[in-house]
Amino acid sequence: DVKVTQSSRYLVKRTGEKVFLECVQDMDHENMFWYRQDPGLGLRLIYFSYDVKMKEKGDIPEGYSVSREKKERFSLILESASTNQTSMYLCASSLAGVPETQYFGPGTRLLVL
Amino acid sequence: GEDVEQSLFLSVREGDSSVINCTYTDSSSTYLYWYKQEPGAGLQLLTYIFSNMDMKQDQRLTVLLNKKDKHLSLRIADTQTGDSAIYFCAGTSGGSNYKLTFGKGTLLTVNP
Repeated sequence: DVKVTQSSRYLVKRTGEKVFLECVQDMDHENMFWYRQDPGLGLRLIYFSYDVKMKEKGDIPEGYSVSREKKERFSLILESASTNQTSMYLCASSLAGVPETQYFGPGTRLLVL
Repeated sequence: GEDVEQSLFLSVREGDSSVINCTYTDSSSTYLYWYKQEPGAGLQLLTYIFSNMDMKQDQRLTVLLNKKDKHLSLRIADTQTGDSAIYFCAGTSGGSNYKLTFGKGTLLTVNP
């Protein structure tokens, strides 16, 4: 079974702090994704990566950066957290090819005070 | 880019059929997907349909695709309380095979 793990289920940070969200997958997937999920807005793609050190902006990259130094790990970085980044963050991974079957982690609920 | 719309809420009685509807704009989506999210969990892929198919059945799940109207539906037969969840439809966008655009999700509530 594919397993996607996220470093924290719940996180509380203060405005202006630098925040790291970590995601690890154990199935040698090429593609990894970061989404945020907000009530009434569904899932929105922040960034994705199709290979080590490769990244592409999604629909809402502002205020975020990512790092993929190893194939199994994809990190989301909030350089200076703001209250409007309070959200549920979901990581996913997929094998290159079709159909696009994305496997999701359990999510990190981030509260920025 | 792709825009995916679905109704936000659906309430059914246990044992009834549920039908969740979705419309999309990007006709180049090769596959269309249904994901399920249970409370406190990430999403899991339920099923998908290739764009040149009209229907796909998988046990209690039936997916119908009307390409002309860009309409996708998910029917759950004999709905159980364990089916209570948020259901998302998704399609690929911008010619990419791996960049999915999700609808806002339909919250299915199954009443005993």
